[in-house]
Amino acid sequence: KNEVEQSPQNLTAQEGEFITINCSYSVGISALHWLQQHPGGGIVSLFMLSSGKKKHGRLIATINIQEKHSSLHITASHPRDSAVYICACNLGGGADGLTFGKGTHLIIQP
Amino acid sequence: SQTIHQWPATLVQPVGSPLSLECTVEGTSNPNLYWYRQAAGRGLQLLFYSVGIGQISSEVPQNLSASRPQDRQFILSSKKLLLSDSGFYLCAKTESYGYTFGSGTRLTVV
Repeated sequence: KNEVEQSPQNLTAQEGEFITINCSYSVGISALHWLQQHPGGGIVSLFMLSSGKKKHGRLIATINIQEKHSSLHITASHPRDSAVYICACNLGGGADGLTFGKGTHLIIQP
Repeated sequence: SQTIHQWPATLVQPVGSPLSLECTVEGTSNPNLYWYRQAAGRGLQLLFYSVGIGQISSEVPQNLSASRPQDRQFILSSKKLLLSDSGFYLCAKTESYGYTFGSGTRLTVV
């Protein structure tokens, strides 16, 4: 069983809709990351969270440490937001890399 | 800006041939460096990480090896490629603000 679970796996929405992608993890973490992967494969780091909430433009990420849950929200979604969004966690707390969710494939239709 | 140079972008290699993928990074010295792989239809998986020159940790037993001959150089290698080595390979490094990813190498073993 993957220690980082994302939902939904696929999401299609209309331009302008409010988008929520969820991530749950099973053990304590030192940090949680939200990543964006475009069709060519390149990955961009959107947020790194250890508590609370962060906002960047139309993107908002929240984390609830007690519930072991994080959400990524996109306000006023746009077709250019179409991508795979990946949740990843530092499970070990050290330098030993990230454990990834399987990603959410988001399509925003005009 | 902090950047990662990864090449080649795409590679088609026959089964049994050797492999060398190189990653060089700019920025602060002694970064933590990582090799990740994304097989078709699957999530990202950590292959190797390095906390310093000559220090390599392997997460998954496999046909691959990694080396860090210089502080800002991380190399992924194989002596004989297998079909199952096909995938998208990403180099990454960590800073205090999170992860930075290279643009990736799409490897197809034929």
